[in-house]
Amino acid sequence: NAGVTQTPKFRVLKTGQSMTLLCAQDMNHEYMYWYRQDPGMGLRLIHYSVGEGTTAKGEVPDGYNVSRLKKQNFLLGLESAAPSQTSVYFCASRGGLEAFFGQGTRLTVV
Amino acid sequence: TQLLEQSPQFLSIQEGENLTVYCNSSSVFSSLQWYRQEPGEGPVLLVTVVTGGEVKKLKRLTFQFGDARKDSSLHITAAQPGDTGLYLCAGVREETSGSRLTFGEGTQLTVNP
Repeated sequence: NAGVTQTPKFRVLKTGQSMTLLCAQDMNHEYMYWYRQDPGMGLRLIHYSVGEGTTAKGEVPDGYNVSRLKKQNFLLGLESAAPSQTSVYFCASRGGLEAFFGQGTRLTVV
Repeated sequence: TQLLEQSPQFLSIQEGENLTVYCNSSSVFSSLQWYRQEPGEGPVLLVTVVTGGEVKKLKRLTFQFGDARKDSSLHITAAQPGDTGLYLCAGVREETSGSRLTFGEGTQLTVNP
């Protein structure tokens, strides 16, 4: 089983460029989450979804948009990347109590 | 300001010592979880506590959920170098927009041989 798969694993963007991070899960989970992880900050929730077609804002949603058109996919978009968005991004899915995480995407904005 | 505050943020101890990590909040959670994260990997669940006052043991690790379901602690007995890693607490809150999973800042534990 693949579990939770994030693509890409690494990316370098120039300020002002846009990109989409893809998260795919094969566990038929209803809940999916996007987090960013910065040194000393733990994991901060960006956006989350409680099912296909739904999205909700987390703690740090500004500068990001998300979509959940299919149950198995949760997309995170950056419309105009800024250096402050340099971070490691993690996606997670949850069916019961346990959340399963992807391997992360390391994004650098220069 | 994060909803869940962990302390200490960094901990460096010798093999064989005991340690406790704390996770505190002013909010009530329906459940609280502890995860461990290795470099370059996503967090992996260690335990979930659901009932106020609940204590769970996982070999040398003991987890406790506060009576008011606002705080939790992780105690490791006789720490080993293999325990080195980032420990994260996470709380589940049921909101009108759905079930939100929020993390603390993490505790970076280093166990020296």
